Amino acid sequence: EAEVAQSPRYKITEKSQAVAFWCDPISGHATLYWYRQILGQGPELLVQFQDESVVDDSQLPKDRFSAERLKGVDSTLKIQPAELGDSAMYLCASSLPSAPQYFGPGTRLTVL
Amino acid sequence: GDSVTQMEGPVTLSEEAFLTINCTYTATGYPSLFWYVQYPGEGLQLLLKATKADDKGSNKGFEATYRKETTSFHLEKGSVQVSDSAVYFCALLTGTASKLTFGTGTRLQVTL
Repeated sequence: EAEVAQSPRYKITEKSQAVAFWCDPISGHATLYWYRQILGQGPELLVQFQDESVVDDSQLPKDRFSAERLKGVDSTLKIQPAELGDSAMYLCASSLPSAPQYFGPGTRLTVL
Repeated sequence: GDSVTQMEGPVTLSEEAFLTINCTYTATGYPSLFWYVQYPGEGLQLLLKATKADDKGSNKGFEATYRKETTSFHLEKGSVQVSDSAVYFCALLTGTASKLTFGTGTRLQVTL
């Protein structure tokens, strides 16, 4: 069964450092999502791509976060500089149009 | 705007007990409804879905019926197992932008 791949699974960094997360969606899924999930809460959408174009990044803190999907397949989410409050699970999901989203295993970020 | 309200957790049950997790929603139009499950340290897994009123989604012994008249999508299972211990998220999908709105999640703890 096809799955969404994410790496790394765990990342520990110090504040002010740069971090990057990678996501490879299910083959054929044109829509890709990055979510942030703070412990004990539901996922919050950071950015949504349709192919290589950003559809929604209204909740992305653009002063420090960036996301790209250059060839419309895999995607990278970057944080620079990381802050203590960025500690969370970062989830990637993909879908076909107007279809259920399938999530990857997530990257657990700890900022010290 | 769209919103999902779930019952507060944690829910603690003995093995083989009956489970109900309440979910109600507010949405414009006709959303699709989902239940996702998250095991400790993992991403979200799609558990079941329903796309129109009176649809019943089912998977792994879990069921939920899309009730338009009460705007509800309650999750049920007749006999829970220890392995069902997880956090359960209710979510709705509206519009062509494929944006998921999540509830805050309900933690289920099943004991022997």
